[in-house]
Amino acid sequence: DGGITQSPKYLFRKEGQNVTLSCEQNLNHDAMYWYRQDPGQGLRLIYYSQIVNDFQKGDIAEGYSVSREKKESFPLTVTSAQKNPTAFYLCASDQQGRTEAFFGQGTRLTVV
Amino acid sequence: QKEVEQDPGPLSVPEGAIVSLNCTYSNSAFQYFMWYRQYSRKGPELLMYTYSSGNKEDGRFTAQVDKSSKYISLFIRDSQPSDSATYLCASFPAGGTSYGKLTFGQGTILTVHP
Repeated sequence: DGGITQSPKYLFRKEGQNVTLSCEQNLNHDAMYWYRQDPGQGLRLIYYSQIVNDFQKGDIAEGYSVSREKKESFPLTVTSAQKNPTAFYLCASDQQGRTEAFFGQGTRLTVV
Repeated sequence: QKEVEQDPGPLSVPEGAIVSLNCTYSNSAFQYFMWYRQYSRKGPELLMYTYSSGNKEDGRFTAQVDKSSKYISLFIRDSQPSDSATYLCASFPAGGTSYGKLTFGQGTILTVHP
């Protein structure tokens, strides 16, 4: 089945650690996105990539980094510079000219 | 001011009720309007979308956009317990380079009790 796979589902990070969230899609979509969801704030865009080897900052990119070495993969690293990383992270993809963005099932990151 | 505002609720209704979910937006360039449904601990899924003003119906769901008042609505008829979820409105302007770069409202938590 085509779709977006995020892993892990739950992730715990110690203070000062970098962690990487995985996002893989087999929909052959050109564009991929990372959103952060906090209670009462909806989804906020962290980074997006429209083609391989290119990505752009979203509204809240500070403390995060991404790479897009393959069309299918768009990993997100939450660095120690992100002061409040506890949140639900959602990866999405879409194709230019279509109206639907497909979302993964999310990764819940908790700082311990 | 957020570009898309949505009352987070929570909203609780009895089974069979008509539910009205609403958003307002401030960006006049927005042309595409979406409603996503998100079950607890899951990713959002697209429920409906409309382009510009007007109504769109799909089964028990009706999406409505009034661009003159910058108002977006989703109506659910004969609501069911399985409709219990968070509903997110979203929008983006025409001519945008990618549809996934959406601006979301805060989401409304809906509970339909038997």
